[in-house]
Amino acid sequence: QKEVEQNSGPLSVPEGAIASLNCTYSDRGSQSFFWYRQYSGKSPELIMSIYSNGDKEDGRFTAQLNKASQYVSLLIRDSQPSDSATYLCAVRPGGSYIPTFGRGTSLIVHP
Amino acid sequence: GEEVAQTPKHLVRGEGQKAKLYCAPIKGHSYVFWYQQVLKNEFKFLISFQNENVFDETGMPKERFSAKCLPNSPCSLEIQATKLEDSAVYFCASSLEVGTAGEQYFGPGTRLTVT
Repeated sequence: QKEVEQNSGPLSVPEGAIASLNCTYSDRGSQSFFWYRQYSGKSPELIMSIYSNGDKEDGRFTAQLNKASQYVSLLIRDSQPSDSATYLCAVRPGGSYIPTFGRGTSLIVHP
Repeated sequence: GEEVAQTPKHLVRGEGQKAKLYCAPIKGHSYVFWYQQVLKNEFKFLISFQNENVFDETGMPKERFSAKCLPNSPCSLEIQATKLEDSAVYFCASSLEVGTAGEQYFGPGTRLTVT
């Protein structure tokens, strides 16, 4: 069973702070990693994808991948109340085209 | 279109009735995926298509669930003889490819309530 683990939270941060969301995965052969944001009652929205070790930045978002330690993280700089949502980590295991989703971390950004 | 479209938004069925859900992928995307979200944030993969061909159906409960993607028609997911446990949000996603990138884009979902 390929597993993707996330802390369910909620993670509460003040407006303007950096929110750090973490995800660990069990399949060492995984090659593709995705972060989705899901507002309550809505569909997941793709925020970032990362495939190589290191950091990938897009606006206020930075994805970090460490394959040796089998974790991927998402940093949100200058957090805004509108960032309050559940963040889903999805990992595509080696040899599969179907991503495994974590259960998500609930983020609350308070003014 | 530019977005994945799903219909209907909400569907209510009595236990034992049939339910049929529809999905139109983003124009140009060859792959379609169906997921079931039962408990909050727990995604279960059901089935995927490459154009009209089944690509992966490892998650599909075959006794009551079936799916099709026919040319020039929306894809469909059908549940025969629905059960209470089928109550969930069903998401469809599409992607251009399934290689290393293969980013999936989700539709708004269909909320199925079985009473």
